[in-house]
Amino acid sequence: TQLLEQSPQFLSIQEGENLTVYCNSSSVFSSLQWYRQEPGEGPVLLVTVVTGGEVKKLKRLTFQFGDARKDSSLHITAAQPGDTGLYLCAGARNTGGFKTIFGAGTRLFVKA
Amino acid sequence: DAMVIQNPRYQVTQFGKPVTLSCSQTLNHNVMYWYQQKSSQAPKLLFHYYDKDFNNEADTPDNFQSRRPNTSFCFLDIRSPGLGDAAMYLCATSRWGSADTQYFGPGTRLTVL
Repeated sequence: TQLLEQSPQFLSIQEGENLTVYCNSSSVFSSLQWYRQEPGEGPVLLVTVVTGGEVKKLKRLTFQFGDARKDSSLHITAAQPGDTGLYLCAGARNTGGFKTIFGAGTRLFVKA
Repeated sequence: DAMVIQNPRYQVTQFGKPVTLSCSQTLNHNVMYWYQQKSSQAPKLLFHYYDKDFNNEADTPDNFQSRRPNTSFCFLDIRSPGLGDAAMYLCATSRWGSADTQYFGPGTRLTVL
């Protein structure tokens, strides 16, 4: 059972377009992280969100944590080829001890 | 810069030949994790150390072992690699427990011939 569902699984867009990717669950998370992973590299942390309804901006990237802390979205404005990569969300929840769970990721390809 | 370092970046081994992957960190974090990631899949947690306390995931095969001789270093030992163990192996650290943000190393790509 995939506790964190990411959608879409794959996205191919033109440079300059906007996009939103989603991370959804039926479970409540105490915090949620977004990572970007390039081929052959480890995931690089983009942001951590902890408060329901929280919005964080990182240049052209906007992250939102759902009010109920069950879901999150990542919006990229004016995508660039350098944004290409695998976007992973990871949520921390208490399952008789805290554990971080990863989604399977959204693979983004931005064409020049 | 404080970071998580993995060596080697690429490792080739033969079927059944033991192999050790290395991770070190300069973040002085208490927790170190090992993940296995296969193509187009989420990282899968194998085990983690909270300081010296070892925590194995229930579905981690016995073929995988780990050692943490000190705060900075953690090793992943694969005793008898099979073809199905070919994957990217990721080391991560966090300051406190598993609910804390994790910081990843660049990974080691393991090939089994």
